[in-house]
Formats: sequence, structure tokens, C-alpha cells
Amino acid sequence: DAGVIQSPRHEVTEMGQEVTLRCKPISGHNSLFWYRQTMMRGLELLIYFNNNVPIDDSGMPEDRFSAKMPNASFSTLKIQPSEPRDSAVYFCASSLREQFFGPGTRLTVL
Amino acid sequence: KQEVTQIPAALSVPEGENLVLNCSFTDSAIYNLQWFRQDPGKGLTSLLLIQSSQREQTSGRLNASLDKSSGRSTLYIAASQPGDSATYLCAVPTEDDKIIFGKGTRLHILP
Repeated sequence: DAGVIQSPRHEVTEMGQEVTLRCKPISGHNSLFWYRQTMMRGLELLIYFNNNVPIDDSGMPEDRFSAKMPNASFSTLKIQPSEPRDSAVYFCASSLREQFFGPGTRLTVL
Repeated sequence: KQEVTQIPAALSVPEGENLVLNCSFTDSAIYNLQWFRQDPGKGLTSLLLIQSSQREQTSGRLNASLDKSSGRSTLYIAASQPGDSATYLCAVPTEDDKIIFGKGTRLHILP
């Protein structure tokens, strides 16, 4: 298995633009997690899904953030409109028992 | 290459006891260290974040210390409760956007 796949690996965009981050979990895993990593705040859980259903989105910073999981093999995290303070590394992880992290997407909003 | 080790791998203590979880890392050039709690089927819950310039952080019954020079961090839990039963992870980020986790300590508080 290729592990958790995230795309793009790097994204640079301008303030106000829509950003979509993509994640393909490990086949057979039933939980998917989106995290955000910054130097000041560390790793923060944004939202997670069990069996494609959002369970806890209390970590989503505001309404500009949304996440979907239309099927067991794909999830997106969308930011619209993006702001400079959204600049961070966004990780997706999937699990059956142990969590496996993807390589992350480094987002820079200018 | 950064490596993070947590000792012990598992711990069972009676309710009410104070306990210490240990985390060690091989590369002291870190800019922060974070402690998490993991409950089955749920996302990682951040407990404490210690920046490299800090020596400790406290939140309620939890206290985390950081000694960069010796490559160690400890998580102290006071007056343990059954609800504290979980897996505790420490993690350090790297400059190339990776997060290195320890394997965790499975804590069981006996009522």
C-alpha cells in the first residue's frame, strides 16, 4: 500500500482564493482525520470522519473551512476564501486502529 | 534523524495516584514538543504544547516539562482518574514538515 496520499504537496495562493486539499486514505481504514500544524499552535485536529460520516468538526476554525468525504477512498478540505493566517501544513491521517499520517500539504497564503 | 521514544509502553495504576510518562528524543534541535491523548476511534487531542524556549507547561492536573539538552520530556498527571485512561503520545515536528511521534504509553487507571 502507498500509505495515505495527499495532494498537492505544496500550494501557494493569494488571499481570497479557494483552496482544496485532497486526501486518499489507506484502503480498508474506516477513520479519516484532518490536522493543521503550525509552529505556534502545534498539531491541531480539525475534523474527523468514521465510515465517511463527520463525527467531530469542533476543531474547524471557522465557516471558511469545510471538509467532505464522499466515499471511503477520498476526502477534501476546502478553504474559501483563504487568508494569510491559514498558512500551515495540513495533514490527513487514516486509521483502523493506529493512525497513519500522510506527507502533508504545505499551504502558503500570500 | 529524529527518533522519539516513550517509556513505559503501558502503565496501570490505581485511581488517585500521581504518575509520570516519559518521552525522549534524539535530536535536541526541536522548536516544540507536543503531548497528545488518543482515545480509540477518535482523533488526537492536544494536551500540552511546549515551545523550545519553555521548560514546562501546565493545564489542570497535567504538567509537561521539557529538557532540550538531555532530549527528554515528561508528562505528569496528578490525582489520576479512570477517565484519564487512554494512550498518550508525544511528538516533535521536523524542519521538513514531518511529525515524529513516539509509540505511545497506554495508560489504564484502575477504579
